[in-house]
Amino acid sequence: DAGVIQSPRHEVTEMGQEVTLRCKPISGHNSLFWYRQTMMRGLELLIYFNNNVPIDDSGMPEDRFSAKMPNASFSTLKIQPSEPRDSAVYFCASSYSADDEQFFGPGTRLTVL
Amino acid sequence: RKEVEQDPGPFNVPEGATVAFNCTYSNSASQSFFWYRQDCRKEPKLLMSVYSSGNEDGRFTAQLNRASQYISLLIRDSKLSDSATYLCVASNQAGTALIFGKGTTLSVSS
Repeated sequence: DAGVIQSPRHEVTEMGQEVTLRCKPISGHNSLFWYRQTMMRGLELLIYFNNNVPIDDSGMPEDRFSAKMPNASFSTLKIQPSEPRDSAVYFCASSYSADDEQFFGPGTRLTVL
Repeated sequence: RKEVEQDPGPFNVPEGATVAFNCTYSNSASQSFFWYRQDCRKEPKLLMSVYSSGNEDGRFTAQLNRASQYISLLIRDSKLSDSATYLCVASNQAGTALIFGKGTTLSVSS
């Protein structure tokens, strides 16, 4: 069975550019989560969806970040414009329900120069 | 106060040692608890769920103390392959998401 799929795996971009990260959750999972991980702050929850509806986006750093889930099998996290401090690993995870075991994708390693 | 707190370590132990990790959570209404393992440059993966009665999976034992709001993980007979970061996880107060600790790093040497 395919796990959570994320693309791209690596992204290097210049400050000011738009970055779009993509995620395909495990089929049948109802909850989808976007995380950011850095050495300093650990794993931070940015936003999560339940049945494609955003439930809590209080973890989104600022208006430069936005996330969508147009259907049950696809979600995007967009950063516009990107800044060097956005450099991190971004994980997408999915689960059957919000407080159930989460399955993580391999992550996108973002570097903003 | 952070919602889930762990000693970051690192814990450096020889093969065969027993090592214990503790973590505390702040939301008394939390209902779900887990330990995740994360290898270097990889995604977190579930190690085990934590139940109120305590549970064991081979060399790993997890315990939950609701009164004191702490969770523990005991690893017996450490192997080189146990070297990783261990993340303590508790559900948020609303039961709508999981809160991850920053992790405890374990290094097992021969």
